[in-house]
Amino acid sequence: KAGVTQTPRYLIKTRGQQVTLSCSPISGHRSVSWYQQTPGQGLQFLFEYFSETQRNKGNFPGRFSGRQFSNSRSEMNVSTLELGDSALYLCASSLERARNTEAFFGQGTRLTVV
Amino acid sequence: AQTVTQSQPEMSVQEAETVTLSCTYDTSESDYYLFWYKQPPSRQMILVIRQEAYKQQNATENRFSVNFQKAAKSFSLKISDSQLGDAAMYFCAYRTGLNYGGATNKLIFGTGTLLAVQP
Repeated sequence: KAGVTQTPRYLIKTRGQQVTLSCSPISGHRSVSWYQQTPGQGLQFLFEYFSETQRNKGNFPGRFSGRQFSNSRSEMNVSTLELGDSALYLCASSLERARNTEAFFGQGTRLTVV
Repeated sequence: AQTVTQSQPEMSVQEAETVTLSCTYDTSESDYYLFWYKQPPSRQMILVIRQEAYKQQNATENRFSVNFQKAAKSFSLKISDSQLGDAAMYFCAYRTGLNYGGATNKLIFGTGTLLAVQP
């Protein structure tokens, strides 16, 4: 069974540009969450999607957005990139919310803004 | 709001020895889950162990066990017979239970403990 796949693995963008990151969850998982990991702020929750609907959102500016498709694949977009957006972006997939649900993580996308 | 605190930024252990990583959390909920995740240099987060708050028995997974003290809101991870492959960043994480906050799989992470294993 394939794990969570994130593409691309590495990205270098210029300040002011926009970027789209992709996440393909484990087959059968309908919940996808995104996290930003930086040395200064640690792991912070961005948003969660379930069945194409955003059901939870973290405390990030509107430049950060996401969506989920009918096949559960998810994308997140960051517009007007800032140097502080440089981070590792992790995607996690889960089954429907249930007592034994656990999150499976992808290997992340390393975004560098120059 | 829930918070998770890991007060040990770095720890070191000799191979084959035992080490305990600390985690405290704050919540007003009674139904929740706690996790320890391992993040090796490859950056992929791997679930080490999970504890459900309503279960009094401490979770155990092979060499990994937890000491869950609900009243003290403490959740420490004990690694026995440490191996070189255990060297990684370890994160403690909290997730709301089924009875609170609607349907969410959102995880709240601590700041992590970097574990070094000395041969």
